[in-house]
Amino acid sequence: AQSVTQLGSHVSVSEGALVLLRCNYSSSVPPYLFWYVQYPNQGLQLLLKYTSAATLVKGINGFEAEFKKSETSFHLTKPSAHMSDAAEYFCAVRRGNNDMRFGAGTRLTVKP
Amino acid sequence: EAQVTQNPRYLITVTGKKLTVTCSQNMNHEYMSWYRQDPGLGLRQIYYSMNVEVTDKGDVPEGYKVSRKEKRNFPLILESPSPNQTSLYFCASSLRNGTGLLGILSYEQYFGPGTRLTVT
Repeated sequence: AQSVTQLGSHVSVSEGALVLLRCNYSSSVPPYLFWYVQYPNQGLQLLLKYTSAATLVKGINGFEAEFKKSETSFHLTKPSAHMSDAAEYFCAVRRGNNDMRFGAGTRLTVKP
Repeated sequence: EAQVTQNPRYLITVTGKKLTVTCSQNMNHEYMSWYRQDPGLGLRQIYYSMNVEVTDKGDVPEGYKVSRKEKRNFPLILESPSPNQTSLYFCASSLRNGTGLLGILSYEQYFGPGTRLTVT
């Protein structure tokens, strides 16, 4: 079995500050990991994914995430927050054709 | 435009009145899935389908039915809705076998815009 834990249901940063959203997973085999973003009243949109090709993954909108096997982590970062980054972010892990699990989500607020 | 569509987007209904939420994708994806999203719980899978006429239960299937008669459509049926099924529902689709250096498991899911259901 595998699960995803997102540390912090709410994160607040100032515009221009570093964004760090934490995700830890549990899996007995190398996983495929994803970060999705959900803007208000919209569906989920893929930010980036890790598929074992490279441990540092770059996604859209300036986000990136680093897979650290020793820490079973896949934290999402962005060097400088923008007001438009305010949204809810979901980490997800997938193994096999169907076994996809989502974290509980982290709501990011960006203050002016 | 490649997309997953859901209808209706908003629905208020009463306990016991059967309803269907439609989901359609135009990307020729084999795999489709339904999730419900509740505060603090993230997304939980209700049912999924690997291909036409192939469906299976996810984590929270009680009170729901699905069918997959055509590749593009995957409706979610609530035969007798109850208030605990008040939630935000998402349909998603993906290729069954993706591309990438390690092949088949690298695919992501594409999500519809969501259906907000209220059962009173």
